[in-house]
Amino acid sequence: DGGITQSPKYLFRKEGQNVTLSCEQNLNHDAMYWYRQDPGQGLRLIYYSQIVNDFQKGDIAEGYSVSREKKESFPLTVTSAQKNPTAFYLCASSPTSGTGANVLTFGAGSRLTVL
Amino acid sequence: AQSVTQLDSHVSVSEGTPVLLRCNYSSSYSPSLFWYVQHPNKGLQLLLKYTSAATLVKGINGFEAEFKKSETSFHLTKPSAHMSDAAEYFCVVTVEMDSSYKLIFGSGTRLLVRP
Repeated sequence: DGGITQSPKYLFRKEGQNVTLSCEQNLNHDAMYWYRQDPGQGLRLIYYSQIVNDFQKGDIAEGYSVSREKKESFPLTVTSAQKNPTAFYLCASSPTSGTGANVLTFGAGSRLTVL
Repeated sequence: AQSVTQLDSHVSVSEGTPVLLRCNYSSSYSPSLFWYVQHPNKGLQLLLKYTSAATLVKGINGFEAEFKKSETSFHLTKPSAHMSDAAEYFCVVTVEMDSSYKLIFGSGTRLLVRP
């Protein structure tokens, strides 16, 4: 079955450490996204990519970095510059054309806790 | 500016009674609108979408939503709540951005279903 796989599901990090969250999709979608979710708030866009080797900052990109070297993969690095990284991180993908354009398919999420 | 407002942070209903989750949007053009559902510690799943076809949209699990342009609303309803409907629900509106689209998420409504 096609879908999005995020790993790890739970991650603990000490202050000052960088961590990388994995996101892999086998849906053949062109666009991929990273969102951050905090309690009582909607999802906020961190980065998105419409095509391989290209990505754009979202609303809260500071302290995060991404790469898109393969269509299937869009890893997110949470750097030590991110002041409040404890959150639930969601990866999503979508087609960029056709009836499914802008309809997001989400992974199950990764919960990052900074100790 | 485009935005989406979910009018209730929590809604509590008894099993078997109707569900109404309210959403108002602000958009300078005809938007695409979505409802997503999120069960605890899971990713989001698409319930339904409106893309300027029929104003009454039917989704999965018996949910439906009606697009009312005059009221700028897209409320989600279900005739009879089931215990498995307990989850968080997000209303989403699209925003045109350069040559692509960005999704704006509401802050979410948590639905509680009492036995």
